[in-house]
Formats: sequence, structure tokens, C-alpha cells
Amino acid sequence: GEDVEQSLFLSVREGDSSVINCTYTDSSSTYLYWYKQEPGAGLQLLTYIFSNMDMKQDQRLTVLLNKKDKHLSLRIADTQTGDSAIYFCAVLTSGSARQLTFGSGTQLTVLP
Amino acid sequence: DAGVIQSPRHEVTEMGQEVTLRCKPISGHDYLFWYRQTMMRGLELLIYFNNNVPIDDSGMPEDRFSAKMPNASFSTLKIQPSEPRDSAVYFCASSPDSSPRGAEAFFGQGTRLTVV
Repeated sequence: GEDVEQSLFLSVREGDSSVINCTYTDSSSTYLYWYKQEPGAGLQLLTYIFSNMDMKQDQRLTVLLNKKDKHLSLRIADTQTGDSAIYFCAVLTSGSARQLTFGSGTQLTVLP
Repeated sequence: DAGVIQSPRHEVTEMGQEVTLRCKPISGHDYLFWYRQTMMRGLELLIYFNNNVPIDDSGMPEDRFSAKMPNASFSTLKIQPSEPRDSAVYFCASSPDSSPRGAEAFFGQGTRLTVV
């Protein structure tokens, strides 16, 4: 089955850019997502990208998809303290109905 | 819509007791998912339903866990008997049958379960 991996921790200074990385194994992945989880809350969809795209930009967020290397990244420009949270990469694989495979999550800490 | 609603938000119970977690999905969503989140294992899919029918329960840890969806607006996850290792945050999520965003899942706030 699909395997999705992320690094566990990332620390950045306020105002810098953050880049959170994710790798996956199944080349038939169709949709790829980034979710954000704030303390004590559920996961909220931040952004997504369809597999026929290489890049998607949404305000401060930039998603890059390298299908050859099965690598997905989320860049947050001008990172703010409110961006501190856990970020999950999730992948929908063709043929898996609606079942998403989630990574372990990356804890982003923004330092003042 | 109020989003996915889970109850209770927090549950503390003694080992051996029965625990029932509840979920109300977003109206019109055909898919409902139960996840468990722990520090050690991250986010695990336990079971999911499509149109109230269980589709894949391969993530349910053992027979002590059971889930039902008697109608489109309500689902329960039951643990009987509960054990300390069941302590986790349990999330319910729902998803529409079709969406321009593929399989976008909407999550509830979660139930934090502590078994002592």
C-alpha cells in the first residue's frame, strides 16, 4: 500500500520561509493534500494539488510536486507565529476510493 | 453547516469500562471515517463507511473496537472493555461523494480519551 513520510520537526524564525517536505511511494497518486492541525483541534485542509500539476500557489502557500521523485513540498512565505502547528501530508491513490493515506505530521515551530 | 460534530470532547474512564464516542457528519456527505491519533503511531485510519455501510475496517485494532452508522447523520465508535493503551485522540471525518478537491475530508474536533 501507499506509504507517506515526513520529517517530524521544523523550526524557523518569524518572517523566514518554511519548507515542509513529504515523500510518497505510489506513483498512481491522484490528489495530494496539506492539512494543518492546531493544538487541541482537528485537521483542516490547507491546500491540495492534483497530480497533473507541478506547482500551485495560494497566497503565502506554495505547493511543489515532483512526480518523478514522488516528492511533495509546502512552502510558507513570511512565516508567522500563528503558523505554528502540525502539518500533515495526505495522498489519495487511484483505486483507493476515498481513503487518504496520511504522513506522520511535521511539527512546525516559529521562533520570534 | 456546523461541520463535523463529535462528542464528548474529553472522556476519562477506568480500565474495563465501555466507552462510546459519537459523531455527526456534515449533512450530505456520503463517507465517514474514524481515525485515532497517538504520539507513537501518528494518525491511523480505523474504519470508514460509505452510505452508512462499513467498507474497510482493517484498521480496527481488535474485537474490543466496534463502529456503527445506523443512519446518514450519526455514527458511534465503541470500545468494550477499554484499556489504558486505548488512550488517544479519536477523530471523525466526513467527505462528499464528489468534490473538485478529490477526496477532501472534513475533520471534527476530536475526542480525547484517557483510560486509567
